[in-house]
Amino acid sequence: GAVVSQHPSWVICKSGTSVKIECRSLDFQATTMFWYRQFPKQSLMLMATSNEGSKATYEQGVEKDKFLINHASLTLSTLTVTSAHPEDSSFYICSASPQAAGVRNEQFFGPGTRLTVL
Amino acid sequence: DQQVKQNSPSLSVQEGRISILNCDYTNSMFDYFLWYKKYPAEGPTFLISISSIKDKNEDGRFTVFLNKSAKHLSLHIVPSQPGDSAVYFCAASRGSYKLTFGKGTLLTVNP
Repeated sequence: GAVVSQHPSWVICKSGTSVKIECRSLDFQATTMFWYRQFPKQSLMLMATSNEGSKATYEQGVEKDKFLINHASLTLSTLTVTSAHPEDSSFYICSASPQAAGVRNEQFFGPGTRLTVL
Repeated sequence: DQQVKQNSPSLSVQEGRISILNCDYTNSMFDYFLWYKKYPAEGPTFLISISSIKDKNEDGRFTVFLNKSAKHLSLHIVPSQPGDSAVYFCAASRGSYKLTFGKGTLLTVNP
């Protein structure tokens, strides 16, 4: 149980294009989903938190107009990197929690998406 | 400002021996600590956690120790197995769901 999937697992795109990454909770309803970014040899950095049906909460320094997050259902959240540039190349990982944000809980992580912007 | 630090990027131990992974934190407001294990091309998986009101939590081969005065926690794996080879992340939270991660330690268990 508690499986989270991500699609695609890796993507290569040209600079200036937009890329959409999907995060799905396969066997539970995720009230809250989180998006992280990990650069090589760095820690996972929380980008934003999204609750189903409401706007995402972005961490300081993360451009909400560049990283669009949609959490339209209890099993799906999407991250769209708009007008991607080479510095956006990174490993993007989502996690999902079956409880409402603000309540201590365990997060279940997806396998991650490797984005390379040429 | 790295609030959660894992100062050893890598650790190598012999199968059957103890693995000790260390983590330091700077924010005294953290009240919940977790360890995650990550294989290549996979997301982190939860291993074990500890609340700041405790100093030890044990789950099978895994034990986490917390020293609040030193702002230090450690993960002990006994006995270590080759399948334990992975990157281990320490994470901390303060009263809610938001996790702050360390950079991870690559553990290699040699047969």
